[in-house]
Amino acid sequence: AQKVTQAQTEISVVEKEDVTLDCVYETRDTTYYLFWYKQPPSGELVFLIRRNSFDEQNEISGRYSWNFQKSTSSFNFTITASQVVDSAVYFCALSDLPMEYGNKLVFGAGTILRVKS
Amino acid sequence: DAGITQSPRYKITETGRQVTLMCHQTWSHSYMFWYRQDLGHGLRLIYYSAAADITDKGEVPDGYVVSRSKTENFPLTLESATRSQTSVYFCASSPEGYEQYFGPGTRLTVT
Repeated sequence: AQKVTQAQTEISVVEKEDVTLDCVYETRDTTYYLFWYKQPPSGELVFLIRRNSFDEQNEISGRYSWNFQKSTSSFNFTITASQVVDSAVYFCALSDLPMEYGNKLVFGAGTILRVKS
Repeated sequence: DAGITQSPRYKITETGRQVTLMCHQTWSHSYMFWYRQDLGHGLRLIYYSAAADITDKGEVPDGYVVSRSKTENFPLTLESATRSQTSVYFCASSPEGYEQYFGPGTRLTVT
C-alpha cells in the first residue's frame, strides 16, 4: 500500500533562514511519481513539482530545491532564504498507479511552515 | 479566464438535503478528481474520472455521486447530506494523469 509520511507537523523559521521539509514514502512499485504541493492561507493547492521514480536528479527552481533519494525513500524539499510569502502548508504526495487510472494521489498530512519577519 | 473553477465557494445546508458541488475546467483535461480535506485526514480522494462518461470510486465514495457527461464539467452530488460530510471539497484536473491542478475549493457545512 502507498503511504506518505511528513513527520514535521509544523516548522517556524525566521525570514532568510533555510528550511527543509521532509517527506518519506512507501510503495511496492518500481514506477511511481512524487509531488509537492503548496497550500497558502488563501486555501488553494498549488502544484510545485513532479518527480519520476527513475529520475533521481535533484532539481532546483529559484529558491526551491528537491532532493530525491530512492535508497532512503525520501523526497525532501528545501527553501533557501525563506520569505514570509513562503508561509503555507506543504504537502508531499505519491502515485504509483498506471496513467490510465489517473495517477490517484496519496497525500501526506502536510507540514505547516511559518516564516516570521 | 482559463483554469478550474468551483461553485459555490461556500455552502451551508441541512442534514438530509441533496447538495451538488460544481467543477468546471477550461483546459480540456481528460482527468478530473474530487477530494475532501479534513483536519487529521489530509486530502482524500472521493471519485475520479479518466474521461467523459468514465468515473470510478476513490478512497471515500460513500454518500457521494458523480457524473461526467461533458469533458469540462465534473459535478459532485451529496445525495443526503450528513454532518460528517462537512469539509472542504477540492476538484482537480490533469492533462495526462500526472500532476493535478486544483480548483479553489468549496467549504461545505452541514448543520
